[in-house]
Amino acid sequence: DTAVSQTPKYLVTQMGNDKSIKCEQNLGHDTMYWYKQDSKKFLKIMFSYNNKELIINETVPNRFSPKSPDKAHLNLHINSLELGDSAVYFCASSQDRQGLQYFGAGTRLSVL
Amino acid sequence: GIQVEQSPPDLILQEGANSTLRCNFSDSVNNLQWFHQNPWGQLINLFYIPSGTKQNGRLSATTVATERYSLLYISSSQTTDSGVYFCAVRNTGGFKTIFGAGTRLFVKA
Repeated sequence: DTAVSQTPKYLVTQMGNDKSIKCEQNLGHDTMYWYKQDSKKFLKIMFSYNNKELIINETVPNRFSPKSPDKAHLNLHINSLELGDSAVYFCASSQDRQGLQYFGAGTRLSVL
Repeated sequence: GIQVEQSPPDLILQEGANSTLRCNFSDSVNNLQWFHQNPWGQLINLFYIPSGTKQNGRLSATTVATERYSLLYISSSQTTDSGVYFCAVRNTGGFKTIFGAGTRLFVKA
């Protein structure tokens, strides 16, 4: 069983569309994260939730909105997609705010 | 904020060779992880090592927190070791994880 699972694995869409990426963890962790990896492989945190509460919100366009319906899920909704949003998005989780992070397999988003 | 620098940026090895990857950070940390991103893009945990030394098979890592660096040793490298190695840190008192730019490793058969 996959510990941190993301869907979809690949997402190809047109500029201006709205899309969502889902993330679920079955590790019983309290904290979940979204990271963005750009074309140069640089990884940067976008958001973090602890017990469904937003604790990290980096300088991200407000077209990106995370939603955590419960501790095991953290979804990422993106409005009005732009070419520059093309990247790989990783979900991760940890036992608490300080702990070891486990990553999902990533979602490769291509905006045409 | 905390700065993380990894070296070398790129590394090509002949299969069987040993290597050392370095991660320097600019502030005290309470969390340091090494990851391997394989050619399929998957991020694999290698070590959670805010201080001390750990070994796992052909890989070992050492973090000297007082001198603000960590080293990842790969011995008897194999082609499957190819990929990007990332160091990620969280500074003491903070909740944000900062990744280094990575070391791209290619192991030739």
